[in-house]
Parts: sequence; structure tokens; C-alpha cells
Amino acid sequence: DTAVSQTPKYLVTQMGNDKSIKCEQNLGHDTMYWYKQDSKKFLKIMFSYNNKELIINETVPNRFSPKSPDKAHLNLHINSLELGDSAVYFCASSQDGASVSSYNEQFFGPGTRLTVL
Amino acid sequence: QKEVEQNSGPLSVPEGAIASLNCTYSDRGSQSFFWYRQYSGKSPELIMSIYSNGDKEDGRFTAQLNKASQYVSLLIRDSQPSDSATYLCAVSSGGYNKLIFGAGTRLAVHP
Repeated sequence: DTAVSQTPKYLVTQMGNDKSIKCEQNLGHDTMYWYKQDSKKFLKIMFSYNNKELIINETVPNRFSPKSPDKAHLNLHINSLELGDSAVYFCASSQDGASVSSYNEQFFGPGTRLTVL
Repeated sequence: QKEVEQNSGPLSVPEGAIASLNCTYSDRGSQSFFWYRQYSGKSPELIMSIYSNGDKEDGRFTAQLNKASQYVSLLIRDSQPSDSATYLCAVSSGGYNKLIFGAGTRLAVHP
């Protein structure tokens, strides 16, 4: 299946721990994104990479560090987890990140529900 | 001021009716507009994209864009109970395709 996939689906951890979420897309897209959806269901962009280069870096605590080893993968590492980090994290991808056309349509992965205790 | 605004709903419509979902945005430079559907506990699913003024139809869905009024809407014809979900309006402006999402409108289609 062609898709955006994420692991793990659920992540439950203690405050202060470090955790990573992985994302892979086999759509051949150049651009990948991380979004956070909080308890009020508000979806907000965190980061975007285009062909392994960071192009969007929103006001996110520097405890969050994205890494893109290649254009098909975008991982998110979170240090010193806090209660407020509990949310659903979605990865997305688009064919490119700049055109005003269907090439910029973003397709979402299934999400990772992070719970910090 | 919110950048993308939607009525949170719930919008309740009977089966077979037309559901009309509305969205306004604040950035006049916005160029790409999207509607996503999100079922509870699932990820956002792209329904429609629209880039120029006017209507765009795809099956039972019609997206309408009016850049002068900074307004985008989604019409769902012949609404079905399976259309019950939260509909997210998203707007992209500037370079790098940064999507700004509205808070979503919850649609309930009752038999």
C-alpha cells in the first residue's frame, strides 16, 4: 500500500523521558511535515522538511528535534517529556512544498497518540 | 485574531440534505485551500483542494472559493450518516506550503 506510516501508534511514558516517533512515506514525495493535535483537536504545524532540508520550524520548544535521514523518512525526537506534550502527533507528506497546485496536497499518516504521565 | 475561522458546530442535517460548511481566513496572500474530513480517533483525510475563485466539484462535494471575501466553503450534497465527522478547513500561504487549520466544524447527519 502506498501511504504515510508512523510508529508507534501509541506511546505512554513518564515525565522527563526521551522518546522518538518515526514516519515513513512511500509516495515518492519530496516534502514531509509534523503536526500536533492537542486535546481540543486543534491541528498545528511544527516542522517541515523538503528533500532532507528543514524549511518550516514553528515556535516549538527545542526539546523537539526532527531528523530526516532521507526524503522518505522524517523522525521526531522529544527530550525531557512534559505533561503538556501529551497529544496526537501526525506526520504528513506532499509532492512538493512550494507549488500552488495539487502537488502541495498533504496526506496524513495515522497519528501517534503520546501520553505523558 | 484567529487565522482560519470555522463554526465549531455541531451542524446537524437530515440524511439526504445539503450540508454547508464555511470557513474564513485572514491572510489575503493565501493561495491554496483545502478541506479535510476527520473521523473521531482517525487522521485527517483530504477531500478537496481549491486554488482559484469559483466552484470545484468532485462527486457529492463542491468547494467554493471567494478570495475577495476571504471565504471558502464546502457543500456536501445528499448527506449520508457516514459523512458525520469533523471537517477541517486549511489554508496555505507564502512559500513552503505551511498549512493553517481551522478548529473544525462537527457535522452530524441523522437518518
